[in-house]
Amino acid sequence: DTGVSQDPRHKITKRGQNVTFRCDPISEHNRLYWYRQTLGQGPEFLTYFQNEAQLEKSRLLSDRFSAERPKGSFSTLEIQRTEQGDSAMYLCASSPYSGVQDGYTFGSGTRLTVV
Amino acid sequence: EDQVTQSPEALRLQEGESSSLNCSYTVSGLRGLFWYRQDPGKGPEFLFTLYSAGEEKEKERLKATLTKKESFLHITAPKPEDSATYLCAVQASSYGNNRLAFGKGNQVVVIP
Repeated sequence: DTGVSQDPRHKITKRGQNVTFRCDPISEHNRLYWYRQTLGQGPEFLTYFQNEAQLEKSRLLSDRFSAERPKGSFSTLEIQRTEQGDSAMYLCASSPYSGVQDGYTFGSGTRLTVV
Repeated sequence: EDQVTQSPEALRLQEGESSSLNCSYTVSGLRGLFWYRQDPGKGPEFLFTLYSAGEEKEKERLKATLTKKESFLHITAPKPEDSATYLCAVQASSYGNNRLAFGKGNQVVVIP
């Protein structure tokens, strides 16, 4: 296992289009998180899964955003009708059930640019 | 409202010039304070977790300390490869899902 994998690394899309990102966590980690990071800011929490259950969503996650984690494995984050304000780095992280004592393991992120 | 504030926002150091980064926090029921390193275009890389005031952890040229109100990341005799953004994050007992609240980061440039 080489860590948390995210695909694609970069995505340029026109305003109004839908985009989907994929995250493959570390296989033995049952907790998965999505964060968003804009330039000059720290990551902001979007949503959290424990296995396949989505247990929390931030108010940052508008109705245009949806996340899934079928079968508790990989996860997808979809943004519908993208807006320029959605341009950001979308980070996925995972941690074991025992907690976050050793910190999350983050992926390299998907850089979204909405033009 | 929980807050994590990092200072200075940006720091330029000569190689070998030791310095400290500050992370002040206001949170109810701190469960852990985390330091991450982030290189441009990459995801954050975990460095340390601190749990209680007085705790210290070290890794190579980095040393993290924790008080009841703030944490410091000391960089001793930095090298150019220590150039990065250092992120501080907290986890609180009210964050039932282990989510982290991050500061904006300290951008460090080490000049050869």
